[in-house]
Amino acid sequence: RKEVEQDPGPFNVPEGATVAFNCTYSNSASQSFFWYRQDCRKEPKLLMSVYSSGNEDGRFTAQLNRASQYISLLIRDSKLSDSATYLCAVNRWNSGGSNYKLTFGKGTLLTVNP
Amino acid sequence: EPEVTQTPSHQVTQMGQEVILRCVPISNHLYFYWYRQILGQKVEFLVSFYNNEISEKSEIFDDQFSVERPDGSNFTLKIRSTKLEDSAMYFCASKSGTGMETQYFGPGTRLLVL
Repeated sequence: RKEVEQDPGPFNVPEGATVAFNCTYSNSASQSFFWYRQDCRKEPKLLMSVYSSGNEDGRFTAQLNRASQYISLLIRDSKLSDSATYLCAVNRWNSGGSNYKLTFGKGTLLTVNP
Repeated sequence: EPEVTQTPSHQVTQMGQEVILRCVPISNHLYFYWYRQILGQKVEFLVSFYNNEISEKSEIFDDQFSVERPDGSNFTLKIRSTKLEDSAMYFCASKSGTGMETQYFGPGTRLLVL
């Protein structure tokens, strides 16, 4: 089983739509969770951290379910500028106990159409 | 806003040649990372570096790879004898402390091995 799995997509939605991304992780030792956004041929940029209680930032809502090892991202009222690949990432302490490393999912491509 | 910078933005090299990719992490950050992304695939962890030594490396990071922090600002990734399959986008990242802080990514170096 892959360590981080995401909906393969792609998603094509009209402007104004609500779109949801799902992500599962296999390692129960994972300790922190993130959604990154990656534009074509660019670096991943942090969209939001995901907290146990769920968190919201404007049109974006992230949820975490540790029991199910599941993370989600909801985008409401999508804009053309939301078109990008959305990467789920999990962070865990390494086996040597000296550092964290991020493990990414493959990403889900979103295209928002006018 | 402080940024991670990387040079060069693009590099084309012949198979078997050595390449050095350079990164300047954010100035007060202590943890440094290299990731790579082969075209169409996920972002993969290569190596993490703290206190002038490698703290973790992945299976990808074999003897052909090395990292160095030659001075107080630069962080380099060297590939001794490039292979065709080393063609990828290489991202440097840094974070400030020992906790679950966000990793900030540089814009990447696109490496093409011919």
